[in-house]
Amino acid sequence: EADIYQTPRYLVIGTGKKITLECSQTMGHDKMYWYQQDPGMELHLIHYSYGVNSTEKGDLSSESTVSRIRTEHFPLTLESARPSHTSQYLCASSENTRGAVNEQFFGPGTRLTVL
Amino acid sequence: GQQVMQIPQYQHVQEGEDFTTYCNSSTTLSNIQWYKQRPGGHPVFLIQLVKSGEVKKQKRLTFQFGEAKKNSSLHITATQTTDVGTYFCAGRFTGGGNKLTFGTGTQLKVEL
Repeated sequence: EADIYQTPRYLVIGTGKKITLECSQTMGHDKMYWYQQDPGMELHLIHYSYGVNSTEKGDLSSESTVSRIRTEHFPLTLESARPSHTSQYLCASSENTRGAVNEQFFGPGTRLTVL
Repeated sequence: GQQVMQIPQYQHVQEGEDFTTYCNSSTTLSNIQWYKQRPGGHPVFLIQLVKSGEVKKQKRLTFQFGEAKKNSSLHITATQTTDVGTYFCAGRFTGGGNKLTFGTGTQLKVEL
């Protein structure tokens, strides 16, 4: 069982609120990722990090921001939530070993609803 | 941009029937991974294919990587109700680091 955690699991908030979705892993992985997934649809990479103080935007444009101050922690922040942000947000991590499989381990996800 | 498409989008089968999902990339992949996501769950890694023409088996699941490294398939023999879920391929493109581009997914439903 992968040791990657996300909180909260479910969040219902009003438009305009600032929110932070938490993601932590205890596997010592350098690489971490945030994906956005609508029900029954594909995963879209919105942010990733290759290590402390490294963050990059993913393939899908997002109004969220991320930070990576500690290896184990990769929080995602929305400064002003809107109904269009309603979705499931999945956090993942992987090793960074040359020649290895480097599979991604996913957290349980946060289901966000913005009213 | 680089895209990974999967067909079919949905598949309903009777228990015991076989199932296949196909994955196609717009450009050559360095490797491809397959994940399974149960309803309400998160994606779980199944396997990685690296070599051109590679075939790997896991019990009733057979994975193939095309000769041109632009397509892949997952075949399940004699489906069971425990196979229900969405199957995603995820490709790594040359020069893309460890980023994965997930396919559009195939949702499998198995009826008794």
